[in-house]
Amino acid sequence: IAGITQAPTSQILAAGRRMTLRCTQDMRHNAMYWYRQDLGLGLRLIHYSNTAGTTGKGEVPDGYSVSRANTDDFPLTLASAVPSQTSVYFCASSERGDTGELFFGEGSRLTVL
Amino acid sequence: GQNIDQPTEMTATEGAIVQINCTYQTSGFNGLFWYQQHAGEAPTFLSYNVLDGLEEKGRFSSFLSRSKGYSYLLLKELQMKDSASYLCAAQDSNYQLIWGAGTKLIIKP
Repeated sequence: IAGITQAPTSQILAAGRRMTLRCTQDMRHNAMYWYRQDLGLGLRLIHYSNTAGTTGKGEVPDGYSVSRANTDDFPLTLASAVPSQTSVYFCASSERGDTGELFFGEGSRLTVL
Repeated sequence: GQNIDQPTEMTATEGAIVQINCTYQTSGFNGLFWYQQHAGEAPTFLSYNVLDGLEEKGRFSSFLSRSKGYSYLLLKELQMKDSASYLCAAQDSNYQLIWGAGTKLIIKP
């Protein structure tokens, strides 16, 4: 089934540890995004990539890094996790960077203790 | 600043009609989007408006007034499966989506 796959689904992590959330899409979409979703707040953009080889910072990029080595993969890395990074993380993709019709993965629930 | 406002929670009865409002303030405007998100699941795209007026898609319709910075999502013939959060998002001049916190819709039998 075509779509976006995220891993892990859920993770508990000690503060200070490094963590990479994986995201793979098979729709050949040019643009990919990482959002975090916290209770009472709208989705907040962490980083995005409009095409393979390029990335950009979103609204809340501090403490996170991304890479886009190819069209399909867009991993998100927390270099040294902190409790404020406890959240649900969604990866999404779109055909182009100027469309708002996004396709989301199922989310990764991360708890930092 | 950029801002999206929508009610936190609404309750409606199965079979009825409900209207979820959204007001937005963005730097430039390239469209208004509605997404549905069931609890514990990913958001899924519902509708897109860029011109003033009503767009109808089955039981769901979405309206936009650009001059008022206002949109609504209208759900008709409500079903229990419509219980979900509805997210409003406006696309700014840089084509970035600005998201509201979502409206949790509770459907009662």
